Amino acid sequence: KAGVTQTPRYLIKTRGQQVTLSCSPISGHRSVSWYQQTPGQGLQFLFEYFSETQRNKGNFPGRFSGRQFSNSRSEMNVSTLELGDSALYLCASSLEGAVAFFGQGTRLTVV
Amino acid sequence: EDQVTQSPEALRLQEGESSSLNCSYTVSGLRGLFWYRQDPGKGPEFLFTLYSAGEEKEKERLKATLTKKESFLHITAPKPEDSATYLCAVQAHSGGGADGLTFGKGTHLIIQP
Repeated sequence: KAGVTQTPRYLIKTRGQQVTLSCSPISGHRSVSWYQQTPGQGLQFLFEYFSETQRNKGNFPGRFSGRQFSNSRSEMNVSTLELGDSALYLCASSLEGAVAFFGQGTRLTVV
Repeated sequence: EDQVTQSPEALRLQEGESSSLNCSYTVSGLRGLFWYRQDPGKGPEFLFTLYSAGEEKEKERLKATLTKKESFLHITAPKPEDSATYLCAVQAHSGGGADGLTFGKGTHLIIQP
């Protein structure tokens, strides 16, 4: 059974640009969550989608947004990138209310 | 606000030297406590879920326990391949589905041969 797939694995962007990251969940999983991981703050919850609806949101500015498609695939977008947005962005999928399984992440570097 | 504190931040052990990692938490209605292992450059790998005080789970050299305020990850006779960062996370009950996971900063474990 294929795991959670995130693309791209690495990304370099310039301040002020925007970026879109993609996540394909485990087959049959309808819940997709996104997390930001930095050395200083650790893993922080961004938002969760279930059946194309955002159900929960963490404490991040509106520059961070996401969406989920009818096949459960999800994208997150960060607009007007700042240097502090450099991080490992992790996607996790789960059956509702069950264990979250993580992808390998997208390493975003903002220069 | 949900909080998770892990200790120690880093731990270096000799191969075969057993120890325990601590995870203290405060949460408004615990739905579950999770342990993950993370290797450098990779996503967290699921280890255990605990749901109620007194619950214990084991997998190979690892054993996780849960009380009302903390969880322990016991590592028995560790091997170098157990070297990783171990993350603890809690999930609270939510009226609209599951809350996101609140993670601790992790314990960086090194097992020396």
